[in-house]
Amino acid sequence: ETGVTQTPRHLVMGMTNKKSLKCEQHLGHNAMYWYKQSAKKPLELMFVYSLEERVENNSVPSRFSPECPNSSHLFLHLHTLQPEDSALYLCASSQLGGSGELFFGEGSRLTVL
Amino acid sequence: TQLLEQSPQFLSIQEGENLTVYCNSSSVFSSLQWYRQEPGEGPVLLVTVVTGGEVKKLKRLTFQFGDARKDSSLHITAAQPGDTGLYLCAGERDGNNRKLIWGLGTSLAVNP
Repeated sequence: ETGVTQTPRHLVMGMTNKKSLKCEQHLGHNAMYWYKQSAKKPLELMFVYSLEERVENNSVPSRFSPECPNSSHLFLHLHTLQPEDSALYLCASSQLGGSGELFFGEGSRLTVL
Repeated sequence: TQLLEQSPQFLSIQEGENLTVYCNSSSVFSSLQWYRQEPGEGPVLLVTVVTGGEVKKLKRLTFQFGDARKDSSLHITAAQPGDTGLYLCAGERDGNNRKLIWGLGTSLAVNP
């Protein structure tokens, strides 16, 4: 059983919809991440939160809005997405200062029509 | 610019065969991680290599970090269908484990 859970596992939305992806980690880690995984591209880091403060934002379009209310929960709010945003969105957690290992959730498969 | 090149991109072999996949770069990494991602799942860490020339073994999997810490290889002996998946390498630079550099991955299919 994974220590990082993501919901929903699958999401289909129109370009005008607003939806959110949720991630919860049960590992006591102090950093959480959103990654985008698309075909023929390496994993793209979108956001990093350390101790609930956003420390990295890799020039992600504003139609993606992260929220980290506490060290165990991470959200990705989605609005007015484009078809090219269709991808697998992976949440991960790690313990900064530790081994550097990332613990991933199973991902949320997003399709934008 | 793809900083980490993985080869081959795709590999389909029969059960019992041996294989090697590669992760190459012109950049130096302080450490390199190997992950396996099965269909419908997130990546799972297999190993982290840190020292140039280091060799680590995980059952039938042997990982090597190049002497110059620019490349790595993964060798699987007597592959099993359970080895099927996407093998990803990720390099850490300057001790910044929040910002890994990822390869595209090698998609391995082991047929019974």
